Amino acid sequence: GAVVSQHPSRVICKSGTSVKIECRSLDFQATTMFWYRQFPKQSLMLMATSNEGSKATYEQGVEKDKFLINHASLTLSTLTVTSAHPEDSSFYICSAPTYRVANYGYTFGSGTRLTVV
Amino acid sequence: AQSVTQLDSQVPVFEEAPVELRCNYSSSVSVYLFWYVQYPNQGLQLLLKYLSGSTLVESINGFEAEFNKSQTSFHLRKPSVHISDTAEYFCAVSFNSGNTPLVFGKGTRLSVIA
Repeated sequence: GAVVSQHPSRVICKSGTSVKIECRSLDFQATTMFWYRQFPKQSLMLMATSNEGSKATYEQGVEKDKFLINHASLTLSTLTVTSAHPEDSSFYICSAPTYRVANYGYTFGSGTRLTVV
Repeated sequence: AQSVTQLDSQVPVFEEAPVELRCNYSSSVSVYLFWYVQYPNQGLQLLLKYLSGSTLVESINGFEAEFNKSQTSFHLRKPSVHISDTAEYFCAVSFNSGNTPLVFGKGTRLSVIA
């Protein structure tokens, strides 16, 4: 139980285009979704927190106009990288807390490898 | 400030040898502690977690970790490693409540040598 499905797993896009990443909670309602970015051989850095029906909260240094987060329903949160540039190439992972449906913890999507060329 | 420290960025170890991956945290509030493993180009898999109760927690694949409140540590150990244990290991901490994000350490690359 408490599965988050993340798509796409890999995407290559041209510089200047936008890319949307989706995270769906399959068997529970995710009222909160955390979005992380992971550069090669580095740790996961929290980018933003989305809550269903309200505006996302961004971490310091993360451009909210570049990384658009939408959490319009209890089962879907999306991250759109707008006007992508090569420096946005990274591994993006979503995560939802599961304390409402299971033992205290967090479930993670399988990640999206974004490459901007 | 609340933080998580994994002092060892890389740990090479021979197959069937024991290993310890260190994790320390800093917090003024109660914490929940986690260890995750990440294989190349994959997401994170939960190894084990400490929420409350017994300070020694175990995973199904032979790893264990012990919560030491006085030393603010949650070191991960395995008595005998396998080649398949080669991966990146992340210590993570949840501060305060269930709706706050995990804070991750920088990770430790475990390389098991045949």
